[in-house]
Amino acid sequence: QPALTQPASVSGSPGQSITIVCTGSSSDVGGFNYVSWYQQHPGKAPQLIIYDVTKRPTGISDRFSGSKSGNTASLTISGLQTEDEADYYCSSYTVSTTLVFGGGTKVTVL
Amino acid sequence: EVQLVQSGPEVKEPGESLKISCEAFGYTFTAYWIGWVRQMPGTGLEWMGLIHPADSDTRYSPSFQGQVTISVDKSKNTAYLQLHSLKASDTAMYYCARFPPNFYTGDNWFYPWGQGTLVTVSS
Repeated sequence: QPALTQPASVSGSPGQSITIVCTGSSSDVGGFNYVSWYQQHPGKAPQLIIYDVTKRPTGISDRFSGSKSGNTASLTISGLQTEDEADYYCSSYTVSTTLVFGGGTKVTVL
Repeated sequence: EVQLVQSGPEVKEPGESLKISCEAFGYTFTAYWIGWVRQMPGTGLEWMGLIHPADSDTRYSPSFQGQVTISVDKSKNTAYLQLHSLKASDTAMYYCARFPPNFYTGDNWFYPWGQGTLVTVSS
């Protein structure tokens, strides 16, 4: 059982905005501003798209944005495009000096 | 260009051991941690552990402690993941990825990732 909870799937139409939530506890998401998000297309390695809750690595579209409230982190994809169809994973540092991933969310572009 | 290149796919029988490699290019190898992540077929990502090449400081996920060994050879800019007494349930894709220097103060990002090593365990 993954330590962080994500919805199994989220869908939206092209151009819409969607939000994926990642729920943890005060021992991980809520305790640190060190949440990262990864995008994984089928058959490919994951790619970092958000780190430190809100920061985007160089080259990542500003359509991706991150936020956090309490024990829940969120990834918002605005202006949804067909290329955004992929699996998305959140990750958090924990009070035990370990890392945990969420179970993953499959994004479908209708 | 910062890049991690992993060893090729493996097919092993139950009970065998295996060592996967991850060679780093384009940055100072001893300045960043290297992490390992497992992805079983059709499932999500699982953090296995991290090693710091400068001093071989290693942290394991409680789920993998004692089941795997992470090591490094600084002279070869290469990290390794050793899987012991393989079972069919070890069949998975294994990824290495670079991790920032400040692990103990909470940094948390993996970039870049290796291409993955597919391990198949079957009799």
